[in-house]
This record gives sequence, C-alpha cells and structure tokens, in this order.
Amino acid sequence: GAVVSQHPSWVICKSGTSVKIECRSLDFQATTMFWYRQFPKQSLMLMATSNEGSKATYEQGVEKDKFLINHASLTLSTLTVTSAHPEDSSFYICSATSVLLFGETQYFGPGTRLLVL
Amino acid sequence: QKEVEQNSGPLSVPEGAIASLNCTYSDRGSQSFFWYRQYSGKSPELIMSIYSNGDKEDGRFTAQLNKASQYVSLLIRDSQPSDSATYLCAVMGSGAGSYQLTFGKGTKLSVIP
Repeated sequence: GAVVSQHPSWVICKSGTSVKIECRSLDFQATTMFWYRQFPKQSLMLMATSNEGSKATYEQGVEKDKFLINHASLTLSTLTVTSAHPEDSSFYICSATSVLLFGETQYFGPGTRLLVL
Repeated sequence: QKEVEQNSGPLSVPEGAIASLNCTYSDRGSQSFFWYRQYSGKSPELIMSIYSNGDKEDGRFTAQLNKASQYVSLLIRDSQPSDSATYLCAVMGSGAGSYQLTFGKGTKLSVIP
C-alpha cells in the first residue's frame, strides 16, 4: 500500500509557458498532500501543503500566483507552474498522507523533473 | 526557524561494516522523526520513523532518538553496496495539526565493496 504516482515524470518546456504536474495517491485517500522542490545537491524544500477541498498553504517565499495548487479530490492534487522560467527548472516531488491510516508518515511520489529552456 | 542539521559526508564504509548517520534538530517540541533514503535522481523512500526516546530496530536498520539532546541517528548494520545513497533526516513540526516535515540536507553514504 501507500503508492503515490506523479505525471509526467519529466517535462521540457519553453520559457513563458505553463506546466501542470499531477500527483495521485493510488491505493488510499490522502487527507493531505505536500509539494516539494529539490535543486541539485540540495535538500527538499516544502513549497505548499494542500488539503482536499481547501486552499493550499504556501511556505514563505513561494509565490502562490506562480505555483497554482488544486486539490480537487482525496486522490489527486495538481501543481501548475505558470509562466515558467529557467530558474524554475527543478525536481518537483509530491507526498501524500492519511492521518487515519498512516499517522504522520508521508509517502512520496517518484518526482517530476522540469527543464525550462 | 526550524533547522535540521546533518553531516553532508560523503561517509564511506566498507561492505559489511556499520554505518552511523547523525542528525540534530532545533525545534525542541518536535515529536516525530523520520529517516528517508534517496538514490541519485530518485525521490525519497521511507526507511524508518521514530517517536520515543531510545532505539527502534527494523532489520539491518536501527534508529536512535534522544529528545533531551535533540539528536536522532540511524545505524545500518552489515552495510551493502546497495545502501549507497543519500540519507535524509526529517523532523515533523511541533504545531498542533501540523504535518509538515523539515528535511536536513542529507548525508551521502558510500559502501565500498
């Protein structure tokens, strides 16, 4: 159990375009999903926390108008990078948890590698 | 600001030896601690969680927690080349209803055959 998927696994786009990344919990209903970003040789940095049916909570320094998060169901959250620029190139990873099933443990998706040209 | 500190390494150990990974954290109220393994180019995978002072063993892995010293460690016995990866220490925030993790920068472990 506790399988989280992400799509796409990698994406290359032109500067100024928008990119949508999906995060799905495949075998459980996630009460909370998290979005992280990881630059090369750096650790994971939390971008936002997303609860189904409510607005995401963004970390300080993360632009909510640039990184749009939609958590429409208990198994799906999406991150849209709007007007992407080369500095947005990174490894984006989501995680999901169910407090009822797993307590506080988060399970991670395989990540999406974004390259903005 | 909550901080999680790890020695970045690389830590090199011979195959079959014990690898010891250490982590300290700043938020004294933290109650939940996790070790994740991350292979190069991949996302983190959970190895162990620990919530109480003392040791917790799972196969070749032992997590140790000392809340008074704000210190958590991971021991890997009989290290294998497949254990070569970056190990991330993660600490959960102490706020009510907060499930956010703060990650250390990770320790890169290299197990030499």
